[in-house]
Amino acid sequence: AQSVAQPEDQVNVAEGNPLTVKCTYSVSGNPYLFWYVQYPNRGLQFLLKYITGDNLVKGSYGFEAEFNKSQTSFHLKKPSALVSDSALYFCAVRSMNTGFQKLVFGTGTRLLVSP
Amino acid sequence: DTGVSQDPRHKITKRGQNVTFRCDPISEHNRLYWYRQTLGQGPEFLTYFQNEAQLEKSRLLSDRFSAERPKGSFSTLEIQRTEQGDSAMYLCASSPGTSEYNEQFFGPGTRLTVL
Repeated sequence: AQSVAQPEDQVNVAEGNPLTVKCTYSVSGNPYLFWYVQYPNRGLQFLLKYITGDNLVKGSYGFEAEFNKSQTSFHLKKPSALVSDSALYFCAVRSMNTGFQKLVFGTGTRLLVSP
Repeated sequence: DTGVSQDPRHKITKRGQNVTFRCDPISEHNRLYWYRQTLGQGPEFLTYFQNEAQLEKSRLLSDRFSAERPKGSFSTLEIQRTEQGDSAMYLCASSPGTSEYNEQFFGPGTRLTVL
């Protein structure tokens, strides 16, 4: 069965500092990996995805993520955090092997960026 | 904004009552998904439609749950004989059918509270 782990419930970072939100996955076959962000009272917003190709993926709002096959990780990064980045971040995976259309999400990581 | 819309946004009901939620996907998106999100967890897949055909169902979707997409446009999710454990945020998402790797676009969700 496919699964996603987000080992940190919360990440705290000062504005202007780089941020990393961690994600590891377990899947049979090739993984298709996604990051979403959830603001209060709003739906999940797509940030970026890895399908194939370059391991460094760039997405919305200055975020990027690095796919590492040997470590089965897909960490979300941003060089300089903004207070407005404070939100709940979810990593998700899909696989051809088990219900390809189904997204399997992690439990989420709350990012708090302090001024 | 022509994103995914869901109605109602909030629903409070008494145990044993039936409830129905509606989802309107982004126009021209032929794939539609339902997820359930409980507090402190990531969204969990419930079911998936391609046009009007329901192609995948999770074991989470007990026989008290039924989803339809009769004309391949909007979808409804009905819960019969609600239980307190059904209290959750119900999320709808849609994606175009142009690629197997399209991201899913989420609506704001319907928050269900069962008293």
